[in-house]
Amino acid sequence: GAGVSQSPRYKVAKRGQDVALRCDPISGHVSLFWYQQALGQGPEFLTYFQNEAQLDKSGLPSDRFFAERPEGSVSTLKIQRTQQEDSAVYLCASSSSPGTGELFFGEGSRLTVL
Amino acid sequence: KQEVTQIPAALSVPEGENLVLNCSFTDSAIYNLQWFRQDPGKGLTSLLLIQSSQREQTSGRLNASLDKSSGRSTLYIAASQPGDSATYLCAVKDNAGNMLTFGGGTRLMVKP
Repeated sequence: GAGVSQSPRYKVAKRGQDVALRCDPISGHVSLFWYQQALGQGPEFLTYFQNEAQLDKSGLPSDRFFAERPEGSVSTLKIQRTQQEDSAVYLCASSSSPGTGELFFGEGSRLTVL
Repeated sequence: KQEVTQIPAALSVPEGENLVLNCSFTDSAIYNLQWFRQDPGKGLTSLLLIQSSQREQTSGRLNASLDKSSGRSTLYIAASQPGDSATYLCAVKDNAGNMLTFGGGTRLMVKP
């Protein structure tokens, strides 16, 4: 596609449920990032992939968060046993150059945990 | 750990004014700095990317400057319009690591 696509755009989960958020990066982009953005704040880094390799997961807030990119294109961010503090917008971004290029962001997936 | 701060957090100006948004960062060992725009409920749109070796970048009515040694960047918007109303985010990429560190953003409202 022409841009980064994320789905679902909106997700409401009951506390304790598992959720999966999908990101389709720009075709051919090597680098893929996940960010978490709380209301009224700037995005916070979660994890980074170069092709299928997860090179940095230092921003994942707990072991309930897991991300994968098995074929080096589509990525999925999974959150297990969701908590209210997980409520945020989850942004995906991709770049053509590993670690150096301009980032292009999707519109995000807004997660609300009740 | 890199920290990015944006001042002011919110700004309201009448249409036509020139304005400056400020961004500061604590670690000057950056690779590049990027300014983004975010409309409500939307993702981030890249406005300007300044490499560490550059002093400024211009795009239309926007001009971004970078003073790496003092850890500061400014985004200048000329002749502001109501359509410029959005949140503006500054982000830096360090020499070490691949991710961007973001500031908290400046919420701009331009009144007609």
